[in-house]
Formats: sequence, C-alpha cells, structure tokens
Amino acid sequence: QKEVEQDPGPLSVPEGAIVSLNCTYSNSAFQYFMWYRQYSRKGPELLMYTYSSGNKEDGRFTAQVDKSSKYISLFIRDSQPSDSATYLCAMSPYSWGKLQFGAGTQVVVTP
Amino acid sequence: GAGVSQTPSNKVTEKGKYVELRCDPISGHTALYWYRQSLGQGPEFLIYFQGTGAADDSGLPNDRFFAVRPEGSVSTLKIQRTERGDSAVYLCASSPSGRTYTGELFFGEGSRLTVL
Repeated sequence: QKEVEQDPGPLSVPEGAIVSLNCTYSNSAFQYFMWYRQYSRKGPELLMYTYSSGNKEDGRFTAQVDKSSKYISLFIRDSQPSDSATYLCAMSPYSWGKLQFGAGTQVVVTP
Repeated sequence: GAGVSQTPSNKVTEKGKYVELRCDPISGHTALYWYRQSLGQGPEFLIYFQGTGAADDSGLPNDRFFAVRPEGSVSTLKIQRTERGDSAVYLCASSPSGRTYTGELFFGEGSRLTVL
C-alpha cells in the first residue's frame, strides 16, 4: 500500500465551479504538506505549503490539513480553464525536500 | 534563463546503453534533487545534494544509478546498463537552502528517457 493515496481522476468541472481535491496518507510522521500543479510536459510548481495541521488560503486556493484523520485537501474557487492541469499532493517528515508525492489528480475545467 | 535547466529534454536509447542526464540549477541554490516520474505517477525521490555531497541517496533504485555534483552547481545523473523499466521522466529540482524551508522545490521540465 502506498504511503500517499490520491484519486487520479480525471475530474471535470465547468468554469466557475469549485474544485475539491484530496489525499490520504498513512505515515503519522508527515508534518510538511504541499500541493503542486503540473501542466503537461512541464515540471511541478508549488501552489500551497502548510506546516502541521490547519488551513491556509491564498487567493482562489485553500489548503486544509487534518493530521488526526491523515487527510489533506485543496479547494480551488472560481475555477478557470487555465486551472486544467494535474494536481499533486506532496508531504514529508523532513524540513527539506525529500517529498512523498501522490499519483496526481487530473483536473479539466471546461469553458 | 532563470529556471532549472535540464538536458537533454528527450533521450531515446537502447537497452544496455549508458546514459547521462544533466541538470543546471538556479544560480545560488545549494540544494539539488533528482526525482523520477513514471507515466501516471507522482515524482519519486532519488537523491538529494547539499552543496557537493550527496546528503541522501536512499531513493536510487540500484547500483546502476549514480549522480554527481562536483562543484556544487551542475549535477549529472548517470545510468549504466539501461533497462526498459528505466523509461521515465527524470526531474531535477533545486531550492535555496535546507535551513529555511518553505516547501518549494523549483523543478525543471525534465529529461524524458525512453529505453527501447
């Protein structure tokens, strides 16, 4: 069983809808949690970073971490066609970049 | 450019051949990482350099894989006796330092390796 589980999708939503993404994990040592966005044939780019539990908001993006349930979420409000990409959750017990990634969820936002 | 640069962008080789993949990190970034991404999967950690030394190489799958960073800047990932299972996108990432961690790794576009 993988340490980080993420539904691969695809998740198709109409423009303007809220996109809801999540990951579950099994390693209770994880304390750094991230969401990366990856466009086709590009490298991942960081969207959100959260240390330990709690919520974090940045523009249209909200990240939530529930360590008691080993569950993290990313919400994208007012989705745009340009948000169409693969979203990767990533986490680590270390304060450096040895990350454990989920498989990624493909999101398609239709105009 | 200002980003992480990886060459070649695409490499097709035959089973059993030797391959080198190069990564030029963002100037001034002391930490450098190699990840491997297979089709439909998330990136998988291979090795981490802090400066010239490999601080963690626990992700290298076997002794056919080796990486160097001799001057603390450019890094080369070397794969000997390639196998079809080595086919993947090899991603390089850098970050400014290990001390102030913001979760941000700056990734290159990757080197797509195909072993026939």
